[in-house]
Amino acid sequence: QITLKESGPTLVKPTQTLTLTCTFSGFSLSINVGGVGWIRQPPGKALEWLAIIHWNGEIHYSPSLDSRLTISKDTSENQVVLTMTNVDPVDTATYFCAHRGPDPDAFDIWGQGIMVTVSS
Amino acid sequence: EIVLTQSPATLSLSPGERATLSCRASQNILYYLAWYQQKPGQAPRLLIYDASNRATGIPARFSGSGSGADFTLTVSSLEPEDSAVYFCQQRSKWPLTFGQGTRLEIK
Repeated sequence: QITLKESGPTLVKPTQTLTLTCTFSGFSLSINVGGVGWIRQPPGKALEWLAIIHWNGEIHYSPSLDSRLTISKDTSENQVVLTMTNVDPVDTATYFCAHRGPDPDAFDIWGQGIMVTVSS
Repeated sequence: EIVLTQSPATLSLSPGERATLSCRASQNILYYLAWYQQKPGQAPRLLIYDASNRATGIPARFSGSGSGADFTLTVSSLEPEDSAVYFCQQRSKWPLTFGQGTRLEIK
């Protein structure tokens, strides 16, 4: 059974760096085909894909946020970390991590999400 | 970037009725489309992948169709618990993109 859970600060100040951790179980990013992605959702708005890291180290970022994002994995700890630099109030959102399978090739299991507010 | 346009924005139907939700891509995405259901305060749940394949545990009243640029999610006989926002998402090209969502209300 695959599970994922996001952790990190729920309040950050503008210009700071946000670091979010996705801790997962039920699969391994070192031996299983698949990946972990990050998706966010501002209050009352649509989903926005941010980044993804695959088992083989392949990484992709949203072009609109590429310069501010870094995604990495710690296979020994079963964690994926997303950092976002220079945050702004418009980055206020619920941040989800999700498992992307090879079959199905979609975000088939999601974490519960973490609400992050950017405010001074 | 591939833009996904969902319609209608809101759909209000009664239990037992049939719901038809549309997702149109700005270019050909073959069959690389997924549908998700999101209820208030919850994470999205995968319903359909690769345009027409139901995910594990999804009731048979949910079905997906389409290819190329036009896709449809159909709920054949609505239940009260189907009240939610539905999003489509493409994996044909980077970056991955989502539609803006359709809110389905059950009267």
